[in-house]
Amino acid sequence: DAGVIQSPRHEVTEMGQEVTLRCKPISGHDYLFWYRQTMMRGLELLIYFNNNVPIDDSGMPEDRFSAKMPNASFSTLKIQPSEPRDSAVYFCASTPREENYGYTFGSGTRLTVV
Amino acid sequence: KQEVTQIPAALSVPEGENLVLNCSFTDSAIYNLQWFRQDPGKGLTSLLLIQSSQREQTSGRLNASLDKSSGRSTLYIAASQPGDSATYLCAVKAAGNKLTFGGGTRVLVKP
Repeated sequence: DAGVIQSPRHEVTEMGQEVTLRCKPISGHDYLFWYRQTMMRGLELLIYFNNNVPIDDSGMPEDRFSAKMPNASFSTLKIQPSEPRDSAVYFCASTPREENYGYTFGSGTRLTVV
Repeated sequence: KQEVTQIPAALSVPEGENLVLNCSFTDSAIYNLQWFRQDPGKGLTSLLLIQSSQREQTSGRLNASLDKSSGRSTLYIAASQPGDSATYLCAVKAAGNKLTFGGGTRVLVKP
């Protein structure tokens, strides 16, 4: 298996622009998670899906952030409009429904908003 | 609400010394605990996964223990090498399959 695949690896955009981050989970994994990592706040859970349905989006910082999972093999995290304080590394992770499995993380997308 | 703490936040040791990294969590109702390694600018690599019913897990020079009742886990790295320099994160998985992370321990192994 190729693991969790995220794209792009790096994104530099201007303030006010729309940014879309993409994630392909491991096939067969029922849960998908979006995390954000910054030096100040560490790893924060933004939102997670179970069988393509959003379960908990309480970590999404503002209405500017939205996430979708149209099917079991694809998810997007969108920021519109982007702001400099959104600069961070965004990770996607997936795990099977069984409790005894661990998480697998993607390589992350480093977002810089200038 | 589950809280995970890692102490110390940073650690510097000479090459060859054993490393001891600590992780504590407030709610013992967990499914498992996972230790990750993160190199600068990179993603998270899973090192060890300990189920809630297990006491320890070993992989090469790495050994992780779990005391669920006291809410503690320890990661031991034997005979440290400069290549072990990285940030180590522990995370607990609980109800809803949610993972809660500690703040990490940044390790520097000096040659």
